[in-house]
Amino acid sequence: NAGVTQTPKFRVLKTGQSMTLLCAQDMNHEYMYWYRQDPGMGLRLIHYSVGEGTTAKGEVPDGYNVSRLKKQNFLLGLESAAPSQTSVYFCASGGSIETQYFGPGTRLLVL
Amino acid sequence: DQQVKQNSPSLSVQEGRISILNCDYTNSMFDYFLWYKKYPAEGPTFLISISSIKDKNEDGRFTVFLNKSAKHLSLHIVPSQPGDSAVYFCAARTGANSKLTFGKGITLSVRP
Repeated sequence: NAGVTQTPKFRVLKTGQSMTLLCAQDMNHEYMYWYRQDPGMGLRLIHYSVGEGTTAKGEVPDGYNVSRLKKQNFLLGLESAAPSQTSVYFCASGGSIETQYFGPGTRLLVL
Repeated sequence: DQQVKQNSPSLSVQEGRISILNCDYTNSMFDYFLWYKKYPAEGPTFLISISSIKDKNEDGRFTVFLNKSAKHLSLHIVPSQPGDSAVYFCAARTGANSKLTFGKGITLSVRP
């Protein structure tokens, strides 16, 4: 039981490049989330999903897109990366809204 | 406007003493509160939670207190251990199937 895994662990992008962050969970959770963590800002919700095939915007959705084609996977896409998207990205999943289980994070640097 | 506030960015305590981490909130619709712990280069992990119908929840060395009238909760760690050194996030939700709102976190350092 791996819990929540994230791929890649670290990535460097140039401004304007695109990439997809993959989150996978093996706990059969309905809910999945993408957060970003910036110094002094805590965790901010980017997008979330309440089930396969559904997505919704969080607190800071601009510049990101998501897809939940399979229950176990939640993808976060950056179509045209900007330096402001340099951050640590955390994926989380939960069987109920009360408790979320987080992945180890992806460090993204946009130059 | 930040609805969950952790106003102290850091706290340092001696090993064996009590650590008290504070969290304030502004949204009176919050009905469930959680604390998460985060080590460097790892994802946050759930620590303890409390429903708004309670004023205290205890789990081993960790106790969370909720004062609804003051819109304030606190996490007590007794006794504090060096392994407790981490960033602690306070989070809250407004009802079933709603999102969590996180505070900015507080860095706890426990000195041996």
